[in-house]
Order: sequence, then structure tokens, then C-alpha cells
Amino acid sequence: QKEVEQNSGPLSVPEGAIASLNCTYSDRGSQSFFWYRQYSGKSPELIMFIYSNGDKEDGRFTAQLNKASQYVSLLIRDSQPSDSATYLCAVKGSWDGGYNKLIFGAGTRLAVHP
Amino acid sequence: NAGVTQTPKFQVLKTGQSMTLQCAQDMNHNSMYWYRQDPGMGLRLIYYSASEGTTDKGEVPNGYNVSRLNKREFSLRLESAAPSQTSVYFCASSESGGNQPQHFGDGTRLSIL
Repeated sequence: QKEVEQNSGPLSVPEGAIASLNCTYSDRGSQSFFWYRQYSGKSPELIMFIYSNGDKEDGRFTAQLNKASQYVSLLIRDSQPSDSATYLCAVKGSWDGGYNKLIFGAGTRLAVHP
Repeated sequence: NAGVTQTPKFQVLKTGQSMTLQCAQDMNHNSMYWYRQDPGMGLRLIYYSASEGTTDKGEVPNGYNVSRLNKREFSLRLESAAPSQTSVYFCASSESGGNQPQHFGDGTRLSIL
């Protein structure tokens, strides 16, 4: 069973701090990794994706990938109350025959307090 | 700029009733997907369609059928609804091939009594 694990939270951080969200995956051959943000009652919204080991930055967001440790993380700098949401990690495995099927983690709820 | 459009947004059914959830995308994507989302369980793939004319089972296909009507539209049908199918259903689409992200519709909130 291919798995993607996330701490359910809530992760509580003060406004202006760095929020660090973590995700581990079981399929060592996984190819690409996506972070989605989901506000309560809304649909998942793509934040960013990463394919290669290392860091990828987009504005206040940085995705970090370590394939050897099977670990991907999302850092949110200068956290704002509007960042309060559930963050979903999704992994495209080596097994999906090129169909872009994703396995989703259950999500981490982030709460940014003023 | 509609993206992925799902109808209806809300629905209440009685056990044993049938219904079809509709999904259409205007991004010219080849691949489309149906997920269900339950509290604490994340998104689980029900069915997907890699291209027009093809459909395949995902992780939780039992109790559902799908139709890829054309490149734009991908419908999900519950033939005999059960309370266990109470969930939020999301349709998504993506480019085919490579490592393409999926884009989601607003969801259908379905309650089965």
C-alpha cells in the first residue's frame, strides 16, 4: 500500500513566524510532489510542486525535497492569519503508468494566530 | 475563466436513490479524476480517465460508475446510494504525461439518509 503521511495538527504559529509542514512517503520511486492548500469548505488549491532534490522557492513558500529520506516539506515564511488552512501533500508514485495519479496525505491543519 | 465546474454543489438523497454528478473542464486537459474526501482520510481516488474514451478504477471504485462523455466532461454515477457514500466529491483535471498538477472543481457535498 502506497502511503503519504502527514501530522494532522493543528500546527499553531504566531503571525510573522515560519510554519514548517512535513510529509513522508513510502514509495521510494515517487517522482513528483505537490502541495495543496484547502480552506474549510473549499476545494484544494495548488501552491507549488517539486521534482528534484533540494529547495524550490516561490514567494513566501519554499518546498524542500529529500528523496533519500523520503521526505518533503513546505515552509511558509512571514505566516499570516490568511494562511490558516489545511495543507495537503500529494505524491505521484512510480507505479501509476504515467497517468498522473496522485496519493494524498490526510493534511495538516495550520492555525496562524495574531 | 471557469476551470473545472461541478454540478450540483449540494445534494441530499435517500438510501437506494440514484444520481449523477457532473464535471466539465475548459482547460483542454486530457486527464480527469473523481475523488471523495472524508474527515481525517484525505482525498481518495474513485475513478480516473487518462483520455477521452478510457476510464480506470482508482482506490475506492465500489458503488460508482463513470462516463467520459467527451474531452470536456466526466460524470460520476451512484446507482443505489448508501449512507457510506456520504462525502464531499471533487472532480479534477490535468494535462497528460509527465509530472502535471491536478486542478480541482469546487466540489459536491452529498448526504445520503
